[in-house]
Amino acid sequence: GAVVSQHPSRVICKSGTSVKIECRSLDFQATTMFWYRQFPKKSLMLMATSNEGSKATYEQGVEKDKFLINHASLTLSTLTVTSAHPEDSSFYICSAGTGDDGYTFGSGTRLTVV
Amino acid sequence: GESVGLHLPTLSVQEGDNSIINCAYSNSASDYFIWYKQESGKGPQFIIDIRSNMDKRQGQRVTVLLNKTVKHLSLQIAATQPGDSAVYFCAEKGGSYIPTFGRGTSLIVHP
Repeated sequence: GAVVSQHPSRVICKSGTSVKIECRSLDFQATTMFWYRQFPKKSLMLMATSNEGSKATYEQGVEKDKFLINHASLTLSTLTVTSAHPEDSSFYICSAGTGDDGYTFGSGTRLTVV
Repeated sequence: GESVGLHLPTLSVQEGDNSIINCAYSNSASDYFIWYKQESGKGPQFIIDIRSNMDKRQGQRVTVLLNKTVKHLSLQIAATQPGDSAVYFCAEKGGSYIPTFGRGTSLIVHP
């Protein structure tokens, strides 16, 4: 089946630094990928839709300059959390459409900003 | 969306019992529904799906029921096992390409 690889699974960074999270579709091409944020015991919150070769579409309230998304190829989307602060600490998850209405999720990235 | 910021409801069951997890969806135009299981610290995993032209679909130990009249979806897990403990999300997809997630239910299975 379709596999989405997300890396890193865990990252700890210092406040003020930037962190890049990668999301790769391993055995299929994904023209659209989605980035979610999840707080403990809460549901998934869609942050943005990443479109290959074009600008990402951000959900209301999500800062474009804070969460930079790049989808340069059909198999890779990246989310960069710029100038990270402790309040950015969260679980970030990507998913990709598999072209048949289905969606496959990455394993998530636990970001801790200290 | 409605799921943002909401705490997850919890369902506690004994091992071996059947579990029923409910989900109300909002868009009457949604024509595809998916249940996901999310274990702690991991991404959601596909469990089962159903299209709007069906009202029931069965998988291995799981059954999804769809009631379009009241916009209700349920996931039934037979003979629940400790390994079923996780958060379960329903997702709906309609005219928009983007799936919308329900707020999720935390299932706790007691041995």
